[in-house]
Amino acid sequence: DTEVTQTPKHLVMGMTNKKSLKCEQHMGHRAMYWYKQKAKKPPELMFVYSYEKLSINESVPSRFSPECPNSSLLNLHLHALQPEDSALYLCASSQTFSNTGELFFGEGSRLTVL
Amino acid sequence: AQTVTQSQPEMSVQEAETVTLSCTYDTSESDYYLFWYKQPPSRQMILVIRQEAYKQQNATENRFSVNFQKAAKSFSLKISDSQLGDAAMYFCAYSNAGGTSYGKLTFGQGTILTVHP
Repeated sequence: DTEVTQTPKHLVMGMTNKKSLKCEQHMGHRAMYWYKQKAKKPPELMFVYSYEKLSINESVPSRFSPECPNSSLLNLHLHALQPEDSALYLCASSQTFSNTGELFFGEGSRLTVL
Repeated sequence: AQTVTQSQPEMSVQEAETVTLSCTYDTSESDYYLFWYKQPPSRQMILVIRQEAYKQQNATENRFSVNFQKAAKSFSLKISDSQLGDAAMYFCAYSNAGGTSYGKLTFGQGTILTVHP
């Protein structure tokens, strides 16, 4: 099983809503990532978890709150988002937080903030 | 800081022909990794090929090969016998081999490849 599964695939929310994006992998990977991607742009790193601990936060606004309940799951909690936060949110995993390893990406969750 | 530049926003190729996507990068490090990732429309991004900077031999994966020129800081991707399924956005990416940015990818702006039947 070499899949990273993200739910939901599409999400529309208002600026006052609270929602969550979920990511799951069963490859035994110990590093998991959240990226944000705007249309026709490269992914931008948001957060990295290594062995369930937050290793990197790329100065992301606090309205985005990551959570790693266990080694297979990664959540991104969303609250009080802005329309400019509309984007494709990609989850990825790798064996370890290593530059040599391949990143396995999910298909993404397309978020629209009204 | 490292930078990755893809100077071709869009490229097109006829099916069965060969196409080369360009990538240049800037770094002061001597040890690093370079990658090409493919992102088809509405599908997940996948790794196409990886090159380790300390290896002089160019990486190849079936129809995909790279031309790695370390001194020129150039890392182009050649796709031979292009297929319709090769149509995608291609990202060149860089990663340090160590230091504080260990494990972080720096992506280029991407090249949209269209394959004509």
